[in-house]
Amino acid sequence: EDKVVQSPLSLVVHEGDTVTLNCSYEVTNFRSLLWYKQEKKAPTFLFMLTSSGIEKKSGRLSSILDKKELFSILNITATQTGDSAVYLCAGINYGQNFVFGPGTRLSVLP
Amino acid sequence: DTGVSQDPRHKITKRGQNVTFRCDPISEHNRLYWYRQTLGQGPEFLTYFQNEAQLEKSRLLSDRFSAERPKGSFSTLEIQRTEQGDSAMYLCASSDQDRLPTGNTEAFFGQGTRLTVV
Repeated sequence: EDKVVQSPLSLVVHEGDTVTLNCSYEVTNFRSLLWYKQEKKAPTFLFMLTSSGIEKKSGRLSSILDKKELFSILNITATQTGDSAVYLCAGINYGQNFVFGPGTRLSVLP
Repeated sequence: DTGVSQDPRHKITKRGQNVTFRCDPISEHNRLYWYRQTLGQGPEFLTYFQNEAQLEKSRLLSDRFSAERPKGSFSTLEIQRTEQGDSAMYLCASSDQDRLPTGNTEAFFGQGTRLTVV
């Protein structure tokens, strides 16, 4: 059965800290891995990673995929209180079915 | 607003009643997904459609749950004889399958319908 695991499940940091969120996956016919940010309602898309070793960046966020070790990390540098959210990782297969992990709840304190 | 829309946003129902939720995907998106999310958990896959065809159903989807997408556009999710354990956020998402393999295939989510069964 396809499975996505995230760690830590929750994290509390102070503004300015750098955090690394982890995601490991076991997805049949794996195609891509996605990161979403969920604040109150709908998850919003952050990154899609398909190739190993290619870092994707958006402002203070960056992510990379290791298809050999079946994991991905999401880095957030210089965290701000607005980064407080649940970060979801999802693996998708060639059937384009999404399997989500439980999420990491990040709390950034002022 | 051209995003995914869900209706209603909130639903409170008594145990044993039937409820129906609606999802309008982004137009021209041929994939539509239903997920259920409970507090502290990631979204759990329920079912998805490619156009009007329901291609996969999770074993989480008991026979009390049924989903349709009759014209390949909007979809409905019905829960019959609701139970307290059905209380959750029901999320709908859509994606553009035809953009595979070169385009982005991320799913765009609606705001969800929060169901409370009392």
